[in-house]
Amino acid sequence: DAKTTQPPSMDCAEGRAANLPCNHSTISGNEYVYWYRQIHSQGPQYIIHGLKNNETNEMASLIITEDRKSSTLILPHATLRDTAVYYCIVRVGGSGYALNFGKGTSLLVTP
Amino acid sequence: NAGVTQTPKFQVLKTGQSMTLQCAQDMNHNSMYWYRQDPGMGLRLIYYSASEGTTDKGEVPNGYNVSRLNKREFSLRLESAAPSQTSVYFCASRDRGNTGELFFGEGSRLTVL
Repeated sequence: DAKTTQPPSMDCAEGRAANLPCNHSTISGNEYVYWYRQIHSQGPQYIIHGLKNNETNEMASLIITEDRKSSTLILPHATLRDTAVYYCIVRVGGSGYALNFGKGTSLLVTP
Repeated sequence: NAGVTQTPKFQVLKTGQSMTLQCAQDMNHNSMYWYRQDPGMGLRLIYYSASEGTTDKGEVPNGYNVSRLNKREFSLRLESAAPSQTSVYFCASRDRGNTGELFFGEGSRLTVL
């Protein structure tokens, strides 16, 4: 599975958009981009995933570049409760394929 | 609907003792996973079971064994605990398809003295 590179930490002011980047230059054509987050010591929580097209749900938007070598997770109006570690994972789809979490990006949302 | 339930939530062991972490899901998911998380680190996959009757090693399987007892239950056993196995253990499950959504339990905090 393709490796991902994320900045170790980022800050964002409350109410502003948080843009979390992820590089995955070795991604294959059948690999999806998944985003999860982990708040404090809880189990990780699914946010969004995509293959080629940009995706949006009630939590966030996922922007994937045309060459699929990088993506950005956007939290449109960050709140203090969005402070968490965000993981970008690239993997072939299907439940038989385990998701490998790296160290992620620690996002701190400040008042 | 409880989701993914892990027991116990906390455990303290002495070096060399054995124990089993239990995990059960009530969502009829096919795949189940065991991860560990050390302080300041991301999650590392120990073992997973893509479907009932199958298990596969993940990134850090040494020192652990697993059993997929049935579709609902996936247990993780430490035969001879070591201090290096002090960690938080998370169980997760996932349905078929490409959605990728893993559902996690609340975690089991294990300390090996």
